[in-house]
Amino acid sequence: SYDLTQPPSVSVSPGQTASLACSGDKLGDRYVSWYQQKPGQSPVLVIYEDTKRPSGIPERFSGSNSGNTATLTISGTQTLDEADYYCQAWDTTTVVFGGGTKVTVL
Amino acid sequence: QVTLKESGPALVTPTQTLTLTCTLSGFSLRTTGMRVTWIRQPPGKALEWLGIIDWDGDAVYGASLKTRVTISKDTSENQVLLRVTNVDPGDTATYFCARVRPGRDYFDIWGQGKLVTVSS
Repeated sequence: SYDLTQPPSVSVSPGQTASLACSGDKLGDRYVSWYQQKPGQSPVLVIYEDTKRPSGIPERFSGSNSGNTATLTISGTQTLDEADYYCQAWDTTTVVFGGGTKVTVL
Repeated sequence: QVTLKESGPALVTPTQTLTLTCTLSGFSLRTTGMRVTWIRQPPGKALEWLGIIDWDGDAVYGASLKTRVTISKDTSENQVLLRVTNVDPGDTATYFCARVRPGRDYFDIWGQGKLVTVSS
């Protein structure tokens, strides 16, 4: 089976840049999506097809994917960006989620 | 407006079958290319993919619950059903349904989720 690995937590100061990694074998050959989930809420799509932002998602969210690692970057991080973030990819016909990264803004 | 809403029992007894309904609004699973997926999240844990169904009624399941999960659709009611047999406390989770963006492979709209507790 295919696995996606994310660090459990990342801390960032307000206004700084947070980089969230998602690693998997030859992940760069697949599209990666990223979802933000705040406590008690449903996940929200923030990046799809590696680099694209849905309408309504702030420009400070960006994505990249190459080699074995996809990265979600939050530039100028705000306190409201504090949440869990999950990467997701497809393994042929099945879906894989990473274990999630908790972003703390302090 | 596109929405999905999960419904079903909040409490299920161990060994019983859990059945949840995802009611679709603003789009139809009769539309070619449309897909809906189920995902669950145990309290304090990560998202776990359960399976997916397409407009044609074909379903694919995740490996973890493959032998206990069935996803089906009720086209007339514009609903997608999830059945998990022989549940145990480990199946306690919030269950989400989500739409797969038509023609793409990402989940653009999620339901609010339904917390199901398995306990005697």
